[in-house]
Amino acid sequence: ETGVTQTPRHLVMGMTNKKSLKCEQHLGHNAMYWYKQSAKKPLELMFVYNFKEQTENNSVPSRFSPECPNSSHLFLHLHTLQPEDSALYLCASSQDPTGGGSYEQYFGPGTRLTVT
Amino acid sequence: AQSVTQPDIHITVSEGASLELRCNYSYGATPYLFWYVQSPGQGLQLLLKYFSGDTLVQGIKGFEAEFKRSQSSFNLRKPSVHWSDAAEYFCAVGAKGFQKLVFGTGTRLLVSP
Repeated sequence: ETGVTQTPRHLVMGMTNKKSLKCEQHLGHNAMYWYKQSAKKPLELMFVYNFKEQTENNSVPSRFSPECPNSSHLFLHLHTLQPEDSALYLCASSQDPTGGGSYEQYFGPGTRLTVT
Repeated sequence: AQSVTQPDIHITVSEGASLELRCNYSYGATPYLFWYVQSPGQGLQLLLKYFSGDTLVQGIKGFEAEFKRSQSSFNLRKPSVHWSDAAEYFCAVGAKGFQKLVFGTGTRLLVSP
């Protein structure tokens, strides 16, 4: 039980579809993250949000659009994806370490995305 | 820039045998170090962390890790491996004042009967 939930757990979408991934954290944290995990590659940080504000975008293509309406919820909106975007997308949360919080991140179970 | 190297892609250990997974980091100041475990189809679970103080840290599930500054290492150990320990293990490094964690490429642990 990690306190971070993600839905859906599996998603298959065509290249012209639009879908959204949802993440919710129940840990009282104020920072949230999206990561991409592809086979044989290191974990790639995509976006960071602190107190609902985006503080990091690691040159992610615009076909990925994050949204953070509050400190507990994080979305990743997907449109016109490519097959190489197929991966496990992980959400994580933490206290904001720059504000004196702790540095460890807590992860959700991920959404396995397949783009056909 | 911070970096993490996990030199072993796969390791096979017999059930009941001891385990050591290697992690080397590159960072100029005192790093914050983490070990995570990922079971198939799951997210990453924090096993243990090192920020400062005692260089031998205890974690969950009977794991421990030792920070060796002179070797820039943070190796994970377990005295007796159980079949349920089969998973992928990730080492990560952070730093004071920086929010991002840098992850290694992971080591897949296989446990043989």
